Amino acid sequence: ILNVEQSPQSLHVQEGDSTNFTCSFPSSNFYALHWYRWETAKSPEALFVMTLNGDEKKKGRISATLNTKEGYSYLYIKGSQPEDSATYLCAFSPTGNQFYFGTGTSLTVIP
Amino acid sequence: NAGVTQTPKFQVLKTGQSMTLQCAQDMNHNSMYWYRQDPGMGLRLIYYSASEGTTDKGEVPNGYNVSRLNKREFSLRLESAAPSQTSVYFCASVGTVSREQYFGPGTRLTVT
Repeated sequence: ILNVEQSPQSLHVQEGDSTNFTCSFPSSNFYALHWYRWETAKSPEALFVMTLNGDEKKKGRISATLNTKEGYSYLYIKGSQPEDSATYLCAFSPTGNQFYFGTGTSLTVIP
Repeated sequence: NAGVTQTPKFQVLKTGQSMTLQCAQDMNHNSMYWYRQDPGMGLRLIYYSASEGTTDKGEVPNGYNVSRLNKREFSLRLESAAPSQTSVYFCASVGTVSREQYFGPGTRLTVT
């Protein structure tokens, strides 16, 4: 069983603030790191699939970076909006077949 | 294009009863997964199937069996349900090129 940790566990920010979360994973046997957005009463939706050390990906106001040598990834949200309120999950894949999920960061954006 | 579908959405079982959770995807994906989600814990992999005809254990396989009926369908069976199997179960499939994981809507199972 591999340990994937996310911090912080929860976060409250004001509308317009920028914020970031961390996902830590084992630095050996890396295949991919996934980020998901999970709204209440829905299913997780894929945000990014990151495979190369130094990868940076962006989708609108959300971006992510990857450091496989030290075993972490950051997710950034610029100018948070209330609709960004959700739980953000990361999942580490050492082989491409199995996925190990963190417990998520719960983001609440206060209007 | 329905994506990943799961049935049923909700189920209540008594201890010792059996049931099968159904999952189907229409995206022609090779890989399919079953997870359980419990409060305070991340999604945990029960079983996965990397391709039609193959299945492998994940982190928490005890008490479950799976069948990859064809490329579209991957079912999860509880032979003798226990209260510890009360959970929300998600099925997922992974895109062959994108490697993005697509999740079904989930099945909320309560075992009394």
